Amino acid sequence: ETGVTQSPTHLIKTRGQQVTLRCSSQSGHNTVSWYQQALGQGPQFIFQYYREEENGRGNFPPRFSGLQFPNYSSELNVNALELDDSALYLCASSRDTRQFFGPGTRLTVL
Amino acid sequence: GESVGLHLPTLSVQEGDNSIINCAYSNSASDYFIWYKQESGKGPQFIIDIRSNMDKRQGQRVTVLLNKTVKHLSLQIAATQPGDSAVYFCAETADNYGQNFVFGPGTRLSVLP
Repeated sequence: ETGVTQSPTHLIKTRGQQVTLRCSSQSGHNTVSWYQQALGQGPQFIFQYYREEENGRGNFPPRFSGLQFPNYSSELNVNALELDDSALYLCASSRDTRQFFGPGTRLTVL
Repeated sequence: GESVGLHLPTLSVQEGDNSIINCAYSNSASDYFIWYKQESGKGPQFIIDIRSNMDKRQGQRVTVLLNKTVKHLSLQIAATQPGDSAVYFCAETADNYGQNFVFGPGTRLSVLP
C-alpha cells in the first residue's frame, strides 16, 4: 500500500451536478497530482498542486478545479458534470518526481 | 489529452518464463520514466523508474531498459508469477518537477499456469 487514500470509493451523479473528490497524500509528500482514467485507457494528467498552489495543468477545461490544504491533502472539484466525465479519478502524491497513486474514485455520471 | 488506443495489447506468458513489455514514447525531451502495474479495481502501483542518463536499471525481478535513440522503453519481468497478471503502463515526463506525466496505452499481461 502507498499510504495515499481517496474518498469516496464510488460515486454516482447526474449530468449538470457538481462533485468533490478527496485525497490524502502519503506522509512526507508535499505534492499531489490528479489524473482521469477512462475505461481501457491510461491515466491522463489533470493538474498538480505543490504547497497549496496549482503547479501545472493538463488539457482539461476550467470546470475541473482543485485545492490543496496545509496538510497537503487535496480536493478535485468538477462542475457541470458531463457524461464523458465518467471515469476513475486518481490522485498521486510525491516528494520528488516519483509518484505514488491512491486507489481512485470511480465516478459515474448518468 | 493524449491519444490512446481503445484496444489493449495483451501479452500471455507461461508461469516461470520471462516477460518483456514494450513501450514507445513520443517526446524526445522526456527525461524521466516510470513503469506502473495496475490490477483490476486498483490504482497504478509503482514498479521501477529510470532517468534518461541511464540505459538500464534493475530492481527485484524487474529490469527497465531505455533506448533514447529510438524512443523505446521496455520492462523485463523475470520468472513471471500469477500475481504479475495486470495491466502495465509506462509513463514519461519532460518536466523536472514531475508534472504532466504522459501514460502509454498499457499492456495486459496474462500469466498462464
